[in-house]
Order: sequence, then structure tokens, then C-alpha cells
Amino acid sequence: AQSVTQPDIHITVSEGASLELRCNYSYGATPYLFWYVQSPGQGLQLLLKYFSGDTLVQGIKGFEAEFKRSQSSFNLRKPSVHWSDAAEYFCAVGMFSGGYNKLIFGAGTRLAVHP
Amino acid sequence: NAGVMQNPRHLVRRRGQEARLRCSPMKGHSHVYWYRQLPEEGLKFMVYLQKENIIDESGMPKERFSAEFPKEGPSILRIQQVVRGDSAAYFCASSPREGGPLGTDTQYFGPGTRLTVL
Repeated sequence: AQSVTQPDIHITVSEGASLELRCNYSYGATPYLFWYVQSPGQGLQLLLKYFSGDTLVQGIKGFEAEFKRSQSSFNLRKPSVHWSDAAEYFCAVGMFSGGYNKLIFGAGTRLAVHP
Repeated sequence: NAGVMQNPRHLVRRRGQEARLRCSPMKGHSHVYWYRQLPEEGLKFMVYLQKENIIDESGMPKERFSAEFPKEGPSILRIQQVVRGDSAAYFCASSPREGGPLGTDTQYFGPGTRLTVL
């Protein structure tokens, strides 16, 4: 069955430190992969997405993610975290069938940033 | 261009009442998805609709839940006879028909409706 695993429920980093959020997926076909961010009480904002091509994807707010097929991973990175990055981050895989994508989300990683 | 609108943002119902959640997609979008987020969990797909058609409702509970997306007006997610377990955040997303492979459509999410059942 298709699934997304985000192994880290909570992560705390210091402002200015680098960040890597892990995401592993299980999907039989070529995956469409997404990272969304959710600030408290808000909806989800798309950070970046991968469909094909270059396996290193650049997103908004200085985030990037790398697709590694051999490891079934799509980890999110940022070289220097800002306090405003504190939020919950969701990785998702798109199950493309019948002309549309049904997103399967991981449980999320909550990021706290220390000053 | 306004984003996806959802109302109400917060809804409180007593057990047995009905809940109606509304979603207005982005302008020009004719595809709507509903997801449910239970406390401390990720979002779970519920239903996918196009104008006047339910395409995939595989994530909808078999009873009490229904969805529609009429030709005019917002999409509605309706929960009849609510129970405490229905307390969750309900998110709507919309997508356009962009160029390229169909699977590359991006889903744009609304702010959600947080339903509390007393």
C-alpha cells in the first residue's frame, strides 16, 4: 500500500543552523512528491514539488529537496533556518490515477526554532 | 487572485446536529478535493469533485458524510448527525487544468474549517 513516513515528529534547531527533514515513501510507480508547510491555524502552503527531471528541487523560502529513488526518500533541507520557519511540515506523495492526484500525507514534522 | 476560501473557519456542533462546510475554489479552478486532519495526524483524502460530479469518494465514511460541487456556488461537505469523532480540521484544495501531464496539477489549500463536536 502507498504510504509516506516522516520519522521525526518533533525537531528543534537553533536559528541559523541547517535543517533536514526526512521523508520516505512507498509507491509502486514513479512518484509525484510534495512538501507543504502549515503554520498554526493556517492552511497548507506548497513549498516545492517533484515530478520528473532534476532530482534536486528548489522551492520557496530557501528550501530545497532531493529525490533519491534508491532510498525512496525526498528529504527537505534548508541551509540556515529563520525563526519564522517554525511550523509543521508535511511530505506527500501523489497517487496519480484516472487523471487526478490523490495526495497521501505523512503525519508531519513539527519544527521549533530556538533564538 | 483570491486563494481558496473556506467558511466557517470554526464550527461548533452538538452531537446529532448537522455540519455544513463550504469551499470556494480559486478563480478558474474546477477541481476540488476535501481532506480531513485528525488531531496529531496528517491529512487524509476524503473526496474529489469536478463541477456537478463526484469523481472519487473512496475516502469518505460510508454514512453521514456527503459532498457536492454544484454548477454555481461553493463546494459543500455535509456531515449529518455529527459525533465526537468527527471533530477535526477539514481542508479543501482546488486545482486548475495546467498544461503538461495531468498529474502535475498543483493542489492549493484553503485555511480549513475546524469542527468541534460537543
